[in-house]
Amino acid sequence: QLQLEQSGAEVQKPGASVKVSCKTAGNNLINSYIHWVRQAPGQGLEWMGIINASGGRTAYARRFRGRVTMTTDTSTGTVYMDLSSLGSEDTAVYFCALVEVVGGNPTDGWSWGQGTLVTVSS
Amino acid sequence: DIQMTQSPSSLSASVGDRVTITCRASQDIGNYLAWFQQKPGKAPRSLIYATSSLQSGVPSRFGGAQSGTDFTLTISSLQPEDFAIYYCQQYNTYPLTFGQGTRVEIK
Repeated sequence: QLQLEQSGAEVQKPGASVKVSCKTAGNNLINSYIHWVRQAPGQGLEWMGIINASGGRTAYARRFRGRVTMTTDTSTGTVYMDLSSLGSEDTAVYFCALVEVVGGNPTDGWSWGQGTLVTVSS
Repeated sequence: DIQMTQSPSSLSASVGDRVTITCRASQDIGNYLAWFQQKPGKAPRSLIYATSSLQSGVPSRFGGAQSGTDFTLTISSLQPEDFAIYYCQQYNTYPLTFGQGTRVEIK
């Protein structure tokens, strides 16, 4: 499976922003899409959005629109997820997951990063 | 948003048992359904995509099926490493949505 490496844990104050990175192997970025999923403590999985790793096209979940920005640096194969105006409810583990899509269909299932714990606390 | 409803929310089973988890979509999602496994403190692991296609490296005791908007994940012979939480997910329509999870525990 493809390997994804995420940045380390973060502690942020309410109202601040956090930027989490997700480094891919850098191969075949054209067909690679990165999803961001978060999981609050003891809770289920919540999809936040998706970015095409090469062209930067994005789609965000409605509840995060205006607060989330996903970007890509094709020179390093790294994708970023920036979440602003943090509140305590944003305390969660944030995962990136990569899927390769050809002809509109995945070539395999998702490959997941190890997760990044973001704690929002004053 | 498409609602994904899993049942049961938890189950107890023994090693060697056949286990089936059901996921119902609130509307037609075609076959755009995936299953994930998650163990405590770990990232999810992909098991199945496109309803019944096995992720690379996943044992063949895992299987997926569909009947209309009802989907099932079956573990044909439960192994000790299979005790975990299982999530379904639809990827037919944004926002992608997950079921609430099914916890598989040791009886």
